[in-house]
Amino acid sequence: DAMVIQNPRYQVTQFGKPVTLSCSQTLNHNVMYWYQQKSSQAPKLLFHYYDKDFNNEADTPDNFQSRRPNTSFCFLDIRSPGLGDAAMYLCATSRDPPSVYGTSSETQYFGPGTRLLVL
Amino acid sequence: AQKITQTQPGMFVQEKEAVTLDCTYDTSDPSYGLFWYKQPSSGEMIFLIYQGSYDQQNATEGRYSLNFQKARKSANLVISASQLGDSAMYFCANPGSARQLTFGSGTQLTVLP
Repeated sequence: DAMVIQNPRYQVTQFGKPVTLSCSQTLNHNVMYWYQQKSSQAPKLLFHYYDKDFNNEADTPDNFQSRRPNTSFCFLDIRSPGLGDAAMYLCATSRDPPSVYGTSSETQYFGPGTRLLVL
Repeated sequence: AQKITQTQPGMFVQEKEAVTLDCTYDTSDPSYGLFWYKQPSSGEMIFLIYQGSYDQQNATEGRYSLNFQKARKSANLVISASQLGDSAMYFCANPGSARQLTFGSGTQLTVLP
């Protein structure tokens, strides 16, 4: 089955120790997203790739970086995790990027998420 | 700015009964889409159903259907024959002029046996 895969499901890191979260997809979608979700909140978009074009949200801290080496894979790098970065990180994909038209091809499909704990 | 409002922080429903989760939106775009997602306690966001503003009929997908009232700017999710596995957080979302998916605050649904 086509899907979005995230590894690991749980990640424990130390304050200030770099960590990388990974996401892969078999949907062959053009767009890949990274969201941060804290307890009892809606997901917050960090950035997305439309093919190789990187789109950073204005309020995403510089501490968060991303790489997309090919269509299937996307990585989230947290250079110096702080206690406030403990959250669920969700990867998603869509065939087309969000637009004012909101077409069905913009439907985002999410992976199972990675729960990050910072000690 | 795009705004999605879900006014029910929590809802309870008896197993096998139907439940309606409310969603209203604020947009001036002539064409738009609305998405509903389910998020169980495991954390995965599961896409449920999509409604396009120009779709002639209300969307349905198995036990999920949308009560789409364009003039009232509402897109309420109806879950029929509730099951224990339906207990989860439900989010309504819309892309809109922000060019990113804007989520409502969510509704926590609990299905009672």
